[in-house]
Amino acid sequence: SQKIEQNSEALNIQEGKTATLTCNYTNYSPAYLQWYRQDPGRGPVFLLLIRENEKEKRKERLKVTFDTTLKQSLFHITASQPADSATYLCALGRRSNYQLIWGAGTKLIIKP
Amino acid sequence: DAEITQSPRHKITETGRQVTLACHQTWNHNNMFWYRQDLGHGLRLIHYSYGVQDTNKGEVSDGYSVSRSNTEDLPLTLESAASSQTSVYFCASRPGGDTGELFFGEGSRLTVL
Repeated sequence: SQKIEQNSEALNIQEGKTATLTCNYTNYSPAYLQWYRQDPGRGPVFLLLIRENEKEKRKERLKVTFDTTLKQSLFHITASQPADSATYLCALGRRSNYQLIWGAGTKLIIKP
Repeated sequence: DAEITQSPRHKITETGRQVTLACHQTWNHNNMFWYRQDLGHGLRLIHYSYGVQDTNKGEVSDGYSVSRSNTEDLPLTLESAASSQTSVYFCASRPGGDTGELFFGEGSRLTVL
């Protein structure tokens, strides 16, 4: 069956360190992958998009990698801050119809 | 500023009642989507629309309907609410094309008793 997995356990990181979140998928052929941030009681907010033919994308302190061989995307936040604490969602865009399939999200907690 | 708004933000209803959740966007986006979000699950697509008079079923469309009479609005109707439809509902839009970012509303929390 088709699956997208994000670590369901919260990730606790010390302020200033790099936080790395994982998104694994099986039985998909994604055309692209997106990462969103979601704060409690709010809607998701788009962060980054990476296409299947791209290995890495950066935006300020954020970096996303996409390995279609490993079927995995990594999302990095460098120099993390308490304000980065949120739930981060990955979403795969299917090649067949470009509809997004979502992971359940990983809660990131940055401790001062 | 352009935005996407959902109403009501919170609603409690009884089993069997009809409920409509409103979604209004001022970006003039062609594509609009309704998702539900439940603990332990990723966002699941209920219905979507690529333009006026266009509606399509998503992966969890049973018991839900939408209509698109103008660009700005995509109301979601639960014909006969069931307890399994207790969830947080998100409306989203994007300009068009297949890969662009989604802009989400703040969500509507629905409780069916």
